Amino acid sequence: ETGVTQTPRHLVMGMTNKKSLKCEQHLGHNAMYWYKQSAKKPLELMFVYNFKEQTENNSVPSRFSPECPNSSHLFLHLHTLQPEDSALYLCASSRRGDRFNGYTFGSGTRLTVV
Amino acid sequence: AQKITQTQPGMFVQEKEAVTLDCTYDTSDQSYGLFWYKQPSSGEMIFLIYQGSYDEQNATEGRYSLNFQKARKSANLVISASQLGDSAMYFCAMGRNTDKLIFGTGTRLQVFP
Repeated sequence: ETGVTQTPRHLVMGMTNKKSLKCEQHLGHNAMYWYKQSAKKPLELMFVYNFKEQTENNSVPSRFSPECPNSSHLFLHLHTLQPEDSALYLCASSRRGDRFNGYTFGSGTRLTVV
Repeated sequence: AQKITQTQPGMFVQEKEAVTLDCTYDTSDQSYGLFWYKQPSSGEMIFLIYQGSYDEQNATEGRYSLNFQKARKSANLVISASQLGDSAMYFCAMGRNTDKLIFGTGTRLQVFP
């Protein structure tokens, strides 16, 4: 399978639940990213991983916890979320320094917190 | 701080016509890249085109071209010969190489027959 795959595509969770979003890429990329996309707002960078090491945490609340066990997989663990966390969560990957091909994005997980 | 501004929340264009989507940016970096992405209703962001700050020629990729005016800090996307399948959200983004891209708020393009 090629490209960036995100699961699940849709998720509804209560504020006390714990869930995880998964992202997988088979492109040989060495950088992976989590973005949050809310309505009428620019995409917000959440986390950056380069060669499995977290290199950016963009002041994200601790109720979001990323995990990158290897360069092909990225998780976003969620717990005690708030309704304002409802959004489309996009995962992306890139070959660090390969600007000509940009990021490859997954289709996102549409998260609804109730 | 870096910033991307897309002032057109929505644009309409007739099929087969050309359309320009505006993007202005602000950065103190000397070396940077500008990117355009398309997001159809399925949600996936699709990379369209890249322009480097030191590139002297405007980037082109098929029907997409980037009108880069460095002094004005603008990087407008031109889509020629619009097709119905071009209807989508379009995002302008900026970053050093591919590190930490920041995105604008997007422009919704609708192509009508």
